[in-house]
Amino acid sequence: SQQGEEDPQALSIQEGENATMNCSYKTSINNLQWYRQNSGRGLVHLILIRSNEREKHSGRLRVTLDTSKKSSSLLITASRAADTASYFCATVATDSWGKLQFGAGTQVVVTP
Amino acid sequence: NAGVMQNPRHLVRRRGQEARLRCSPMKGHSHVYWYRQLPEEGLKFMVYLQKENIIDESGMPKERFSAEFPKEGPSILRIQQVVRGDSAAYFCASSPQSQADFLHFGNGTRLTVT
Repeated sequence: SQQGEEDPQALSIQEGENATMNCSYKTSINNLQWYRQNSGRGLVHLILIRSNEREKHSGRLRVTLDTSKKSSSLLITASRAADTASYFCATVATDSWGKLQFGAGTQVVVTP
Repeated sequence: NAGVMQNPRHLVRRRGQEARLRCSPMKGHSHVYWYRQLPEEGLKFMVYLQKENIIDESGMPKERFSAEFPKEGPSILRIQQVVRGDSAAYFCASSPQSQADFLHFGNGTRLTVT
């Protein structure tokens, strides 16, 4: 079974709007990461949040982590057409470095 | 500074043939990971290698699949006697050390088995 489950599966918004997607996981983690994948390309690392952190910002990205609920959210503010991509959360369990557990992803479409 | 390089980008094989996927990690990276992505799904871990060593192959099918990362040259993921279910995108990632914060991914090899 997948460690990370993203919600929603797909999201369609207009430029300037915010996009929020959620991720739930099952086991204890060392950190949780968000990656972006453009169609036909590899994954690009966006942001990492450790298990002892609750919130992190990077540019227009804001990530939260609630370890008691085993969930995380990614917020993209003031979205742009170039943000159109699939977004994946991935968890890293303790002593399982490099063995990322990915969810199925959220497809985000930003229309001009 | 080139990123993770994978080739070929696309590979078409008939059932029963062999597929060889190559991955050159980022310069200075000695840890390589292979992941598989089926359509509309996330990536699934297959194998983790260091130079000349397989560290964790728990995600790799026991039969027909093998991986190596020799002292010289790229890492190779080899699939023997391919079947239609092997059709997927195979991604390689690398890191400079074992406890890296995140991985650098290549653009993948898309394998189609006809």
